[in-house]
Amino acid sequence: DSGVTQTPKHLITATGQRVTLRCSPRSGDLSVYWYQQSLDQGLQFLIQYYNGEERAKGNILERFSAQQFPDLHSELNLSSLELGDSALYFCASSVELADYNEQFFGPGTRLTVL
Amino acid sequence: GENVEQHPSTLSVQEGDSAVIKCTYSDSASNYFPWYKQELGKRPQLIIDIRSNVGEKKDQRIAVTLNKTAKHFSLHITETQPEDSAVYFCAASQGTYKYIFGTGTRLKVLA
Repeated sequence: DSGVTQTPKHLITATGQRVTLRCSPRSGDLSVYWYQQSLDQGLQFLIQYYNGEERAKGNILERFSAQQFPDLHSELNLSSLELGDSALYFCASSVELADYNEQFFGPGTRLTVL
Repeated sequence: GENVEQHPSTLSVQEGDSAVIKCTYSDSASNYFPWYKQELGKRPQLIIDIRSNVGEKKDQRIAVTLNKTAKHFSLHITETQPEDSAVYFCAASQGTYKYIFGTGTRLKVLA
């Protein structure tokens, strides 16, 4: 167990709908990353938050948004869902020291868009 | 922009043989290089890492080497076992900024 929690584990929804994925980082970690992993694909970086502020953006669609709350949990909002959005969504939190930055991944949320 | 290239994308080895996966990074400011293993349907987990002030690090059957001049780093697995079969990701990080993953290598260890 990495100490990072994600809910829900599975989500099945229809095209055009909106969903919210939730992530709680490890205690003490200020940074949260979101990744999308489609079947047999790599980890596509979506967005990073650090202590409530957006720090970096990757290939995140405009239909997707995220935020990090004062208690450091983060939510990823996916709207106007398309079939191609079906994927495993991971969040990770990290220690972020000057020369050590291990990322601890949550178990993921498997999203199926029908 | 900065990127991390990883090769090969798939690798099949006989049980007991060695496996080598290579990564090249572009940002010379990168100073932390982790390797993650992802088993089917599970989360990626760190298996070994190396900092930029070290050239090599070993942990039992796993070793990582870093060539800062060439901006290469490699994962070496010796005496491979079926449970080593997984997808392996390299990454390059610059302190608290810019965490970039490679595209992954699917390793199959044939019994």
